[in-house]
Amino acid sequence: GNSVTQMEGPVTLSEEAFLTINCTYTATGYPSLFWYVQYPGEGLQLLLKATKADDKGSNKGFEATYRKETTSFHLEKGSVQVSDSAVYFCALTSSREYGNKLVFGAGTILRVKS
Amino acid sequence: DGGITQSPKYLFRKEGQNVTLSCEQNLNHDAMYWYRQDPGQGLRLIYYSQIVNDFQKGDIAEGYSVSREKKESFPLTVTSAQKNPTAFYLCASRPGTGLSEAFFGQGTRLTVV
Repeated sequence: GNSVTQMEGPVTLSEEAFLTINCTYTATGYPSLFWYVQYPGEGLQLLLKATKADDKGSNKGFEATYRKETTSFHLEKGSVQVSDSAVYFCALTSSREYGNKLVFGAGTILRVKS
Repeated sequence: DGGITQSPKYLFRKEGQNVTLSCEQNLNHDAMYWYRQDPGQGLRLIYYSQIVNDFQKGDIAEGYSVSREKKESFPLTVTSAQKNPTAFYLCASRPGTGLSEAFFGQGTRLTVV
C-alpha cells in the first residue's frame, strides 16, 4: 500500500537557519502530496500542497517540490523563526488508495531557538 | 465562517464508561474522518465515512464506534472496550471527490481517570 517516510526528529535549529525536512513516499498511481503543520494542542493545518510532478507548493516562506523521479517532497525554508516551532506532517492521497484516504508520515518535531 | 468544530476540547472519563466526542462541519463535505494521535506519534485512522449512512473501519477501529446520520455530523464513541483510550482525537473532512486536502478540527484530548 501507499506509505510516507519522514526524517526523524526532533530537529533543533537556531533562528534564521535553513530548514530541510525530508519526505519520501511510495504510491501507486499519481498521488497528490501535502505538508501539514500542527502547533501545540491544536489540530493540523494545511501548509502547502502539490498535485502533479514538478509542481512546487509554497506558503509562508515554506516550499516543497513534487519529485516523481526520486519520489520525494522535501520541505524547505530559507530562514526559520521561533514561531515555526511545531510538528510537520507529510501526507499523500491517491486514487489507488481505497476511499482516497490520506496517508500520513510519522511527523517531524521542529524546535527553533532564539 | 466555515469549518470543523470538535467538542469538548478536554474530556475526562472514568474507566469503564463510554464517552462520545462530537464533530460538526459546515463545509458541505461528503467525507469525514477520525484519527487518534498519541504523544510523539503520527496519526492513526480510526473510522471514516464517505457518505451519509455509510462508514468504514480504519486501522485501529477496535473499541470505537461511529454514526453518520447527517452530512454535517460524525460523532465518535469511545467504548469501555478500548483498552488505552487516553489520547488526542482529531476529526477531519474532505469534499469527498478527487484528491483534495483534508480540513481538521482543533481536537479533543481525552483522559481516562
